Amino acid sequence: KQEVTQIPAALSVPEGENLVLNCSFTDSAIYNLQWFRQDPGKGLTSLLLIQSSQREQTSGRLNASLDKSSGRSTLYIAASQPGDSATYLCAVTAYSGAGSYQLTFGKGTKLSVIP
Amino acid sequence: DAGVIQSPRHEVTEMGQEVTLRCKPISGHDYLFWYRQTMMRGLELLIYFNNNVPIDDSGMPEDRFSAKMPNASFSTLKIQPSEPRDSAVYFCASSFRASSEAFFGQGTRLTVV
Repeated sequence: KQEVTQIPAALSVPEGENLVLNCSFTDSAIYNLQWFRQDPGKGLTSLLLIQSSQREQTSGRLNASLDKSSGRSTLYIAASQPGDSATYLCAVTAYSGAGSYQLTFGKGTKLSVIP
Repeated sequence: DAGVIQSPRHEVTEMGQEVTLRCKPISGHDYLFWYRQTMMRGLELLIYFNNNVPIDDSGMPEDRFSAKMPNASFSTLKIQPSEPRDSAVYFCASSFRASSEAFFGQGTRLTVV
């Protein structure tokens, strides 16, 4: 059974710092990996999707990398801003048999950017 | 498109009552997913549909939970009878393919007292 782990569970940084969020997964047979952002009381917003054949994806100040063989992904946020404060979740899509796909989530890293 | 639309946003009900949560996926998306989020367990997949057909319901916790998708633009998740341990935020999501980007609704916060 696929398990997704995110470390740390919470992170507090001063504004302007560059930071890295980590995600690891136990089964490397994945189709893709997605990073989401969740604001309090809100739904999830997809930030980046990396296909299994890709090594990284970039969007603005965000860069996500994927090392499928080692079961790891990182989300790099450059020049952090208070508006980046949210919970960041990592999720992997894998085939779970009998024509079924499974999207498995980590429990997230709660990021606080201090002005 | 307005995105994935869920209703109601909040639901408070008494134990034993029936609860129905509703979802309208993004038009053109063939996959619809129901998730439950709690502090203890995080986000858990309950069930998903492909072209209105349930594909994997192994995450549905008990027979008290049921889900339907009568057409491409509407799905329901029903809990009957509800229990306090069902209190959680329930999310609906849709995607074009199973392995493509998933778009989430705002969620329904369910409280069973």
